[in-house]
Amino acid sequence: QQPVQSPQAVILREGEDAVINCSSSKALYSVHWYRQKHGEAPVFLMILLKGGEQKGHEKISASFNEKKQQSSLYLTASQLSYSGTYFCGTESPNAGGTSYGKLTFGQGTILTVHP
Amino acid sequence: GEEVAQTPKHLVRGEGQKAKLYCAPIKGHSYVFWYQQVLKNEFKFLISFQNENVFDETGMPKERFSAKCLPNSPCSLEIQATKLEDSAVYFCASSQSPLRGRTEAFFGQGTRLTVV
Repeated sequence: QQPVQSPQAVILREGEDAVINCSSSKALYSVHWYRQKHGEAPVFLMILLKGGEQKGHEKISASFNEKKQQSSLYLTASQLSYSGTYFCGTESPNAGGTSYGKLTFGQGTILTVHP
Repeated sequence: GEEVAQTPKHLVRGEGQKAKLYCAPIKGHSYVFWYQQVLKNEFKFLISFQNENVFDETGMPKERFSAKCLPNSPCSLEIQATKLEDSAVYFCASSQSPLRGRTEAFFGQGTRLTVV
């Protein structure tokens, strides 16, 4: 089943913060976050593995709550370049408890940053 | 190469015609994935390969879709007798072997297929 992202869309002014949530009904092995600009390929942002990991990349960070099967992406002090559609992709563990990269994507969150 | 290379970028086919898409994964990556992205942004998993072997084909409409990853050749996705509903962007992605649990996939630029 597809993970559910919220909100569906966010409009920000430069410098404002945003949180995008991703929730799954299935046990998760990992959560991947991507940003896709119109007409372009999804760009990998970060991967979070089970274990309550929190990672950061410049002003973009994320958390993963394995027990709740949820992940959140935090964008702080947003820049114009952050505009795009953000997707979470989830991996569920196989019978051996691992995975290999097959993702089930959420429906996307459209982020628009204005000057 | 250092990036996933997909060709062609755009492809237009009349209903009933064949379409063939190509993907060269990042050198050293063992897994290749094909996803279909339709107009509402939804990604649909089609098929994955581990090297030249089909790993998971649960998303493939088997009647008309087929895919291969042969040694020393780009991977390919072929659609026989295209239908209007096949219009979409087809993305290929590749990932390394999942050492230490890292399975991040890197996407190609996609092939936009338009069936008219």
